Amino acid sequence: QVQLVQSGAEVKKPGASVKVSCKASGYTFTSYYMHWVRQAPGQGLEWMGIINPSGGSTSYAQKFQGRVTMTRDTSTSTVYMELSSLRSEDTAVYYCARDVSDTAMVPEWYFDLWGRGTLVTVSS
Amino acid sequence: SYELTQPPSVSVSPGQTARITCSGDALPKQYAYWYQQKPGQAPVLVIYKDSERPSGIPERFSGSSSGTTVTLTISGVQAEDEADYYCQSADSSGTYPGVFGTGTKVTVL
Repeated sequence: QVQLVQSGAEVKKPGASVKVSCKASGYTFTSYYMHWVRQAPGQGLEWMGIINPSGGSTSYAQKFQGRVTMTRDTSTSTVYMELSSLRSEDTAVYYCARDVSDTAMVPEWYFDLWGRGTLVTVSS
Repeated sequence: SYELTQPPSVSVSPGQTARITCSGDALPKQYAYWYQQKPGQAPVLVIYKDSERPSGIPERFSGSSSGTTVTLTISGVQAEDEADYYCQSADSSGTYPGVFGTGTKVTVL
């Protein structure tokens, strides 16, 4: 079964970091780019960045540069998103989403498979 | 930054047609994509490359493009179509590749 399984909800204090995982199954992990998208409560979707699971290269939205790090572990078919210096505005559901494009080509920048999301709550 | 503007809400009676617009300066040059999101669920792709429908998406969902506006049309709306809908596209230079629209809540009366 093709799916993305994300880690469980997290509660963090302001200034801390959080690392969310997304485990892929049912397809060749290194063949598709992976993105991270977040959604604050009652708000819209916001793209955060992309990782190539094959080589590990990344590109981040300007807004998150310097605070976000995306990595992958090919041995476990898992991508990670770490966000540091958390503030209350980072409270959101964080989704991993698979790009439709093969990593042998450029990303298409749209997503055919999503994880169920991980709620990160930042509160003192 | 680059913005895609959608109406906050659209209301439609069952069996009628819902049209959701998305406006952006680069839409004549960039494809648009549409996602449906129901409460507590992840988004689902319903239209790609302006007007293509993924397998498994009902035929009542269609997309079109005209100038700086793209439109998602739901023909013969059903109660299950009540959801938030988001367009997605990129600016003309590719500096902002993964921009989402502001979102539209479709209410089935």
